[in-house]
Amino acid sequence: KAGVTQTPRYLIKTRGQQVTLSCSPISGHRSVSWYQQTPGQGLQFLFEYFSETQRNKGNFPGRFSGRQFSNSRSEMNVSTLELGDSALYLCASSVGRSAMNTEAFFGQGTRLTVV
Amino acid sequence: AQSVSQHNHHVILSEAASLELGCNYSYGGTVNLFWYVQYPGQHLQLLLKYFSGDPLVKGIKGFEAEFIKSKFSFNLRKPSVQWSDTAEYFCAVSSKAAGNKLTFGGGTRVLVKP
Repeated sequence: KAGVTQTPRYLIKTRGQQVTLSCSPISGHRSVSWYQQTPGQGLQFLFEYFSETQRNKGNFPGRFSGRQFSNSRSEMNVSTLELGDSALYLCASSVGRSAMNTEAFFGQGTRLTVV
Repeated sequence: AQSVSQHNHHVILSEAASLELGCNYSYGGTVNLFWYVQYPGQHLQLLLKYFSGDPLVKGIKGFEAEFIKSKFSFNLRKPSVQWSDTAEYFCAVSSKAAGNKLTFGGGTRVLVKP
């Protein structure tokens, strides 16, 4: 069974640009959540989707957005990139409604560097 | 602010030593508790979880954790570590009080010397 796939693995962008990251969950998983991982702040919750609906959103500015498609694939978008957005972005999928009460399966992440 | 705290940022120990990693949270009410591990170059994976029942939870690779409600703690233990346990360990908590999301501690890097 294929795991959670995130593309691209690495990305370098310039300040002010926008970026879209993609996540394909494990087949049959309908819940997808996104996290930002940095050395200073650790793992921080961005948002969670189930059946194309955003269930919850973390404390990030409106420049961070996401969506989920009918096939459960998810994308997150960051507009007007800032240097502080440099991070590893992790996606996780779960078989239940939420990673809150079931195991979350994580992808390898997308390493975003903003220059 | 409500949070999840992991007291040790770095732990270095020798093979066969015992390991205990602390995790405390500050949310009231019902909580779901997790320990995730990230081995070098690999993705985060679940070690064990607690939702209810026996507060002593056994996970994969010989790890166990004990939920002590009165102390708001969920410490991870392994009686005898191996070099392959070198990894970063994350405690995570979810609850309605935490905003219905999975909140992670800062992580503990464990280095096991052969």
